[in-house]
Amino acid sequence: SQQGEEDPQALSIQEGENATMNCSYKTSINNLQWYRQNSGRGLVHLILIRSNEREKHSGRLRVTLDTSKKSSSLLITASRAADTASYFCATDAMDSNYQLIWGAGTKLIIKP
Amino acid sequence: SAVISQKPSRDICQRGTSLTIQCQVDSQVTMMFWYRQQPGQSLTLIATANQGSEATYESGFVIDKFPISRPNLTFSTLTVSNMSPEDSSIYLCSVFLRGVTDTQYFGPGTRLTVL
Repeated sequence: SQQGEEDPQALSIQEGENATMNCSYKTSINNLQWYRQNSGRGLVHLILIRSNEREKHSGRLRVTLDTSKKSSSLLITASRAADTASYFCATDAMDSNYQLIWGAGTKLIIKP
Repeated sequence: SAVISQKPSRDICQRGTSLTIQCQVDSQVTMMFWYRQQPGQSLTLIATANQGSEATYESGFVIDKFPISRPNLTFSTLTVSNMSPEDSSIYLCSVFLRGVTDTQYFGPGTRLTVL
């Protein structure tokens, strides 16, 4: 499961600001998913965007997908201290047999 | 959705010993995955463990080192054999639920330290 790329690797912002993380991938996909991981614990699924969708919202989360550029972004608005975590994108490639290809992750720190 | 538990949540082991990690799911699932996450890194797939067939290992992982059992649709084990300090990682199981969300759900992970 080769990794995609995420940037930035680390992001530190003030509480209340917006956080944007980017993900690029290499192959054609069925969907792209974003996960959150707190302090090396299990991963929590945040949002899934399908290859025929361009934008999706869930609460304070906004995800975009540009299949022509093979890239996605995750925007967290009005950040809170509890958003401090690592965020990973994962793609379900078309020939993957449901295996996910994972990005390297962005470590987000929200300063109070 | 699926609720997944893992045992143990963490362990400290001596070099050369083996540890078996258990993964229990609250519903019947066909597809289950085992991942390793080394400190500060992303997830690396160890193997796919589908009930009713032998586990399929990714490049760099072998059955002798990471034997997997999948006796039924709600349970699996991963054994880390003949451990070395390089095996110190978080080990995660996940299940794939096909349907509206096509999502993988993860257990809380097992944090392994090998001395």
